[in-house]
Amino acid sequence: DAKTTQPPSMDCAEGRAANLPCNHSTISGNEYVYWYRQIHSQGPQYIIHGLKNNETNEMASLIITEDRKSSTLILPHATLRDTAVYYCIVRVKNDYKLSFGAGTTVTVRA
Amino acid sequence: EPEVTQTPSHQVTQMGQEVILRCVPISNHLYFYWYRQILGQKVEFLVSFYNNEISEKSEIFDDQFSVERPDGSNFTLKIRSTKLEDSAMYFCASSEASGLTYNEQFFGPGTRLTVL
Repeated sequence: DAKTTQPPSMDCAEGRAANLPCNHSTISGNEYVYWYRQIHSQGPQYIIHGLKNNETNEMASLIITEDRKSSTLILPHATLRDTAVYYCIVRVKNDYKLSFGAGTTVTVRA
Repeated sequence: EPEVTQTPSHQVTQMGQEVILRCVPISNHLYFYWYRQILGQKVEFLVSFYNNEISEKSEIFDDQFSVERPDGSNFTLKIRSTKLEDSAMYFCASSEASGLTYNEQFFGPGTRLTVL
């Protein structure tokens, strides 16, 4: 029942921008795109979310295509501490649960 | 910075025994959740809890599981008769009242449950 598709893994050089893609071609009008990450089997950590406009916070930027069928999470200056599994989640605003997929394992290399 | 705490960090139990996993959510949060992650697998939603009742639960959350908020600070997950397949990391999470805006879920560090 996965609503999102992400590459299983990607590498990134320290100090460079990391661009994490996510496909959500069946997203409906009332569903938001959320990103969480999980470092070393710790509890997941919220990063950012958006509906249709691009969003930016202190951690990352979220770019959502105009048709909303895909999005990209951008970590502007990746550090070694950004090595984690990144999850793209599609969720109706008032839905209680988060439905995690397999995510993308991002490895930041020095 | 406020955080969700969980105890114990690691629990080892014999099959068939009851276990209680404990969580202290962030103090002004009103929504509470349990998730689990079997080693090497996805994080799975178990249950959400609001206003002293379950608001949503997954198929995993069968009669062997129960949740409780016994006082103003703790939130517990009880597994009545543990099975080998209950071995997993259990994460507690909490969020503010959701209202019309999304409130991010803050996760605890997890309790690793090992059933022998």
